[in-house]
Amino acid sequence: DIQMTQSPSSLSASVGDRLTITCRASENIYNYLNWYQQKPGRAPKLLIYFGSTLQSDVPSRFSGSGSGTDFTLTISSLQPEDSATYFCQQTYKSGTFGPGTTVEI
Amino acid sequence: QVHLQESGPGLVKPSGTLSLTCAVSGDSISSGNWWTWVRQTPGKRLEWIGEIYRSGSANYNPSLESRVTISLDKSKNQFSLELRSVTAADTAVYYCAKVDQSKYRSLSSWGQGTLVTVSS
Repeated sequence: DIQMTQSPSSLSASVGDRLTITCRASENIYNYLNWYQQKPGRAPKLLIYFGSTLQSDVPSRFSGSGSGTDFTLTISSLQPEDSATYFCQQTYKSGTFGPGTTVEI
Repeated sequence: QVHLQESGPGLVKPSGTLSLTCAVSGDSISSGNWWTWVRQTPGKRLEWIGEIYRSGSANYNPSLESRVTISLDKSKNQFSLELRSVTAADTAVYYCAKVDQSKYRSLSSWGQGTLVTVSS
């Protein structure tokens, strides 16, 4: 099984900050890496797929990069509505999720 | 726009069987996409349970494979989850979702989720 890790597990930041979350796979997943945002009581929402492709209607302050085993999600200028938990998911083999990163503003 | 809606009992007894259905609208489960079940534990971890294709071919999480069956009902445009021999560790919010082949198998549409508690 492919294992996913994320860091940090949680962080606190201010409006306007640049934020980076890291996701690492236990083996090469090429670019089969997705990022989701989840707010309390809601289902996860797809933000970025295939490593760096922004889902439609997602603000351009979100971006993704990486390939192979190491990936990052960047929020260029944090907004109050970005307070949420962010999950990565590999879809190279089945669909393992990372443990999540909680962002507090 | 694709809409998914989970339904089923919110309480299941230990050693019993958890059965959920996901009704799909705005897309056909006979399209070229897979359809999946994901659960979220009380600790907020997301766990991929398995997926099914229009042919009925299914893939399962190895840690659950011996207890899980995912099936299709094309006439009702829905798919189902059966998890047998449940314990308290199976208490979670269960989500169904569309595995979007056009977006490299990302989960582009999700149901709202349904809480299932395993307790006597």
